[in-house]
Amino acid sequence: DIQMTQSPFSLSASVGDRVTITCRAGQSIGSYLNWYQQKPGKAPKLLIYAASTLQSGVPSRFSGGGYGTHFTLTISSLLPEDFATYYCQQSFSSPPLFSFGPGTKVDI
Amino acid sequence: EVQLVESGGALVQPGGSLRLSCEAPGFTSSRYWMSWVRQAPGKGLEWVANIKYDGSETYYVDSVEGRFIISRDNAENSLFLQMNSLRAEDTAVYYCARTRHLGMGYGMDVWGPGTTVSVSS
Repeated sequence: DIQMTQSPFSLSASVGDRVTITCRAGQSIGSYLNWYQQKPGKAPKLLIYAASTLQSGVPSRFSGGGYGTHFTLTISSLLPEDFATYYCQQSFSSPPLFSFGPGTKVDI
Repeated sequence: EVQLVESGGALVQPGGSLRLSCEAPGFTSSRYWMSWVRQAPGKGLEWVANIKYDGSETYYVDSVEGRFIISRDNAENSLFLQMNSLRAEDTAVYYCARTRHLGMGYGMDVWGPGTTVSVSS
């Protein structure tokens, strides 16, 4: 199984701040990395796939980067609606045994 | 509108069984892999199982292997999760998610609102 870790566990930021979340994989996964946003009481929402491609309808203030074992999710200018928990997820495994990171909670 | 709707969540005793359903009004689910993902109270997301578009391949997280069975009925545009020998640690909100090939690998791009399973005596 591919283990995923994230840092920080949580962060507090202000509206307008630039925020970066890190995700690390236990082995190289190329660009097989997705990011999700989950707000309290709601289902997750796909933000970014293939490490850096924005899902349709996701604002351009979100961006993703990285390759191999180290990945980042950046919010360029935080808005109040970005208060949420963010999860990374690998889809490198074959057969497709997915795994999520533990999540990063962003408090505004 | 593309959407998923889960049902079947309930309070069940340890050792009991439950069958979750997920319907897909608005799109033809037979064209996609589908997944179940769960979230225990106050915890993160955990992938549980997925199934190929034609039902010919299924995969599970180790903790449910041998107890849970994922299946689908493409004629009815439905996905199922049969959960047997339930344990307290299976208590969670269960989400079904459309799973599609996106660039590199697979991503879960449509999610249902979830259904709650509680395992307790």
